Amino acid sequence: GENVEQHPSTLSVQEGDSAVIKCTYSDSASNYFPWYKQELGKGPQLIIDIRSNVGEKKDQRIAVTLNKTAKHFSLHITETQPEDSAVYFCAASSLTSGTYKYIFGTGTRLKVLA
Amino acid sequence: SQTIHQWPATLVQPVGSPLSLECTVEGTSNPNLYWYRQAAGRGLQLLFYSVGIGQISSEVPQNLSASRPQDRQFILSSKKLLLSDSGFYLCAWRLGRANTEAFFGQGTRLTVV
Repeated sequence: GENVEQHPSTLSVQEGDSAVIKCTYSDSASNYFPWYKQELGKGPQLIIDIRSNVGEKKDQRIAVTLNKTAKHFSLHITETQPEDSAVYFCAASSLTSGTYKYIFGTGTRLKVLA
Repeated sequence: SQTIHQWPATLVQPVGSPLSLECTVEGTSNPNLYWYRQAAGRGLQLLFYSVGIGQISSEVPQNLSASRPQDRQFILSSKKLLLSDSGFYLCAWRLGRANTEAFFGQGTRLTVV
């Protein structure tokens, strides 16, 4: 089955700097890659996603890149702000046994230092 | 618009007691439903998923079970809780037959004492 690895597990950056979180996946059939942000005590919320027919997608300060050949994708946050501090999860999704299932990475705790 | 409700928000239960967590979705039909568990400092582990009423698939063997008595209702249960069942439980839904975004509830913090 699918396996998703995520690095780093914790990341501290100064406000205004960029943050990069990387994920690798194992199942070449995975074709949808969402990124979620989870604030303390809450459920994860989608911040950006990318499909396998696209190499890069950007939404304001957030961008995601996908390298299908290498089976890795990354989240880039520019001009970080204190409110970006949260846990970020990547996921890979593919059709398995007739349904789509997410497999999540283990999460990255991002701290933006003011 | 679609919304997902999950309750209770927090729960403290003694070892050996039963468990019932409920999740309901509004504003959509025939969603795919999921239960995840998040242990402290760890990622999201898929426990169960359902593509329709009465259809439950289990991802990992454990002390828990799930049921879907109605199209938009998903229940996580246990007959006898273990200490290791403590964690943050999340319910989620996605459009059926679509590889798209999943929407999560606010979670239930379960502490087994």
